[in-house]
Amino acid sequence: AQSVAQPEDQVNVAEGNPLTVKCTYSVSGNPYLFWYVQYPNRGLQFLLKYITGDNLVKGSYGFEAEFNKSQTSFHLKKPSALVSDSALYFCAVTEGGNTGKLIFGQGTTLQVKP
Amino acid sequence: EAQVTQNPRYLITVTGKKLTVTCSQNMNHEYMSWYRQDPGLGLRQIYYSMNVEVTDKGDVPEGYKVSRKEKRNFPLILESPSPNQTSLYFCASSSIGDPTDTQYFGPGTRLTVL
Repeated sequence: AQSVAQPEDQVNVAEGNPLTVKCTYSVSGNPYLFWYVQYPNRGLQFLLKYITGDNLVKGSYGFEAEFNKSQTSFHLKKPSALVSDSALYFCAVTEGGNTGKLIFGQGTTLQVKP
Repeated sequence: EAQVTQNPRYLITVTGKKLTVTCSQNMNHEYMSWYRQDPGLGLRQIYYSMNVEVTDKGDVPEGYKVSRKEKRNFPLILESPSPNQTSLYFCASSSIGDPTDTQYFGPGTRLTVL
């Protein structure tokens, strides 16, 4: 069965420093991986996805993620964090077949301090 | 503006009182689904619909019903709500439900069942 793990409940970084939010996955077949962000009292917003091709995926708001097949990881990164990046981040993988179902990690809260 | 809308955004109700949470999308998407979000568990799929009159169970369907009579609408029905259905609910839609599709989420409905 497909699964996603986000090993950190919370990540704290100082504004201007680089940030990494970790995600590992377990799938049978090709992994289709997604990152979403949830700001307080808002829905989930799509950041980026990996389908195939270049292992470095660029997304919204300056975020990028690196797909690493050998380590089964898809870590989210940003070179310079902003206070406004503080939010709840979810990694997800789609289940195989045609259900379209997203399997989510438990979420990581990113706190960027001024 | 392309969007997924949900109503109501907040709802407090009592055990056993039937309720409906509406979901509508204006992107002509074929695929729609409902998720619930609980702390430490991420999001879990309740039901999904590949097209009009085509619905199927997700991972946690017990206690919920759905219908898809029109392409744009996908209401979630709780016929006899119980306290364990207190949660944050999200509706999502995507083009055709392919595993590579990006899913777009509504703003969420926070439900409390007393």
